[in-house]
Amino acid sequence: DIQMTQSPSSLSASVGDRVTMTCRASQSITTYLNWYQQKSGKAPKLLMFAVSNLQRGVPARFRGSGSGTDFTLTISGLQPEDFATYYCQQSYSFPYTFGLGTKVEV
Amino acid sequence: QVQLVQSGVEVKKPGSSVKVSCKPSGGIFSNHAFTWLRQAPGQGLEWMGGIIPISGNTKEAQKFQGRLTITADKSTSTAYMELASLRLDDTAVYYCATSTDGSTWSGWGQGTLVTVSS
Repeated sequence: DIQMTQSPSSLSASVGDRVTMTCRASQSITTYLNWYQQKSGKAPKLLMFAVSNLQRGVPARFRGSGSGTDFTLTISGLQPEDFATYYCQQSYSFPYTFGLGTKVEV
Repeated sequence: QVQLVQSGVEVKKPGSSVKVSCKPSGGIFSNHAFTWLRQAPGQGLEWMGGIIPISGNTKEAQKFQGRLTITADKSTSTAYMELASLRLDDTAVYYCATSTDGSTWSGWGQGTLVTVSS
């Protein structure tokens, strides 16, 4: 199975900040990398697919980059609604696997 | 985005089975793949398996093989996940999710809490 490692596990930030989180795969997944946002008690929401493609309705302050094994999600100009947990997920091979998440806190 | 409606909370005994349903609000049933994932309390997300209703093809995580059955009823446009031989560590919120490619999930159900307790 492909292991997905996210860092940091949590970070503290303020509205307006630029935040960056990383996701590393245990083997190359080329560009088969998706990002989800999950708020407490809610289902996850697809943010970005294939590394850097914004899902419809997701604001442009979210940006993804990377390829192979190392990936980054950046939020520029953090908004109050962005405080949540972010998960990366590889869609390269079965079983599809997720990282343990990065929690963005006030 | 597709809205999925799941069945309600379940409380089960160890060794029993649970069956959770998932129905899309729109007419996208046969054109999409339906996937089941779960999230144990305070934990991350785990892919369990999925089905393409139009073909009936399924794929399950090896971890659940022998215990997990994923089905789809085209007449009622409903997908189902049945997990047998429940254990305490099967306690989780179970989600159904939909996609066009089976691996990138843009539509999610609200989640179904399954508690396994003696």
